[in-house]
Amino acid sequence: GAVVSQHPSRVICKSGTSVKIECRSLDFQATTMFWYRQFPKKSLMLMATSNEGSKATYEQGVEKDKFLINHASLTLSTLTVTSAHPEDSSFYICSAIAGAYEQYFGPGTRLTVT
Amino acid sequence: AQSVTQLDSQVPVFEEAPVELRCNYSSSVSVYLFWYVQYPNQGLQLLLKYLSGSTLVKGINGFEAEFNKSQTSFHLRKPSVHISDTAEYFCAVSGMDTGRRALTFGSGTRLQVQP
Repeated sequence: GAVVSQHPSRVICKSGTSVKIECRSLDFQATTMFWYRQFPKKSLMLMATSNEGSKATYEQGVEKDKFLINHASLTLSTLTVTSAHPEDSSFYICSAIAGAYEQYFGPGTRLTVT
Repeated sequence: AQSVTQLDSQVPVFEEAPVELRCNYSSSVSVYLFWYVQYPNQGLQLLLKYLSGSTLVKGINGFEAEFNKSQTSFHLRKPSVHISDTAEYFCAVSGMDTGRRALTFGSGTRLQVQP
């Protein structure tokens, strides 16, 4: 089956610094990737849709200047959390579309901002 | 817009007993339906999906779900659970429109299998 990887799996950073999270589709090309955020014991909330070669589409309430998304190739999308604060601590999960409708999820990245 | 409701936040069950996890959805357009499982600190794994055709779909690990259009439900079932089935289960929908394939998730159901 299709495999999606994320790096890093865990990251701890200091308040005010920026963190980059990578999402890769390993054995297929993905023109569309999604970024979700999951709070403890909560469901996944869509943050943005990442389209290869064009600007990301952000959901209402998500600050595009804080959560920078770049989809530079058909196998890589990156999410950069700029000037991170403790409230940005969360589990970030990406997914990629394979085929017409099926999404494959990465293993997630646990971000802790101290 | 779509929404998904999972009425049960937690479902405790004894090993080898049957289980049903409930999912209801609402949408103004036709949707695809999915069930995902999430183990602690991991991403989501697809259990099964309904796209079209037979309303009873079978997935991995012995799970199955039935799509009921009139009741807008997609309940997940397993006839005999194992300890290893303990996890969080999410029901999700996506629009059939290729321009809107992001998933809308329910709040999740924690399945706790007891020995």
